[in-house]
Amino acid sequence: AQTVTQSQPEMSVQEAETVTLSCTYDTSESDYYLFWYKQPPSRQMILVIRQEAYKQQNATENRFSVNFQKAAKSFSLKISDSQLGDAAMYFCAYRNTGNQFYFGTGTSLTVIP
Amino acid sequence: DAMVIQNPRYQVTQFGKPVTLSCSQTLNHNVMYWYQQKSSQAPKLLFHYYDKDFNNEADTPDNFQSRRPNTSFCFLDIRSPGLGDAAMYLCATSRDLANTYEQYFGPGTRLTVT
Repeated sequence: AQTVTQSQPEMSVQEAETVTLSCTYDTSESDYYLFWYKQPPSRQMILVIRQEAYKQQNATENRFSVNFQKAAKSFSLKISDSQLGDAAMYFCAYRNTGNQFYFGTGTSLTVIP
Repeated sequence: DAMVIQNPRYQVTQFGKPVTLSCSQTLNHNVMYWYQQKSSQAPKLLFHYYDKDFNNEADTPDNFQSRRPNTSFCFLDIRSPGLGDAAMYLCATSRDLANTYEQYFGPGTRLTVT
């Protein structure tokens, strides 16, 4: 069974600094997608960034980028120039070809002004 | 522009009293999902609909049922809620089943069982 592990329940970062959230996963499949979702307090989850497993190039979306290490089954999220609006719970998720989604337990990010 | 709407946002029910949670979408997506998220835990997939085809996760209790009368609406029915069913229930949609498509989430319904 696939599992997704986020080993950092809480993280904090100074405004304008960079922070990296870690995620590892376990799978025997070769074709899958990885996602980072953001869930602000009392608001819905929104997609931050996604990565196709067959692509070696790391995905980037403005201030958000990932470090995808397929062999190590690692998928970390880097947030550059952190802003107050980045404060949220961040979930790492895995989707396989069988349409199954697996989420990590989340990392709560605090941004310090 | 609300895309995935869940009603109500907060629901209180009594132990053993059936309750229905509602989800609607304006995205015209083929797939709708229901997740259960307990405090400090990962969202757990209960089931999903691909169009009218219902797909139940193997470990979803029989106490949980779902209905999708049309493309836009999907309901989660809890037949006899127990205290352990108190959680946030998230509805999500996806354009299709291919794993290229991300999910769009609603704001969730927080269920309290008294």
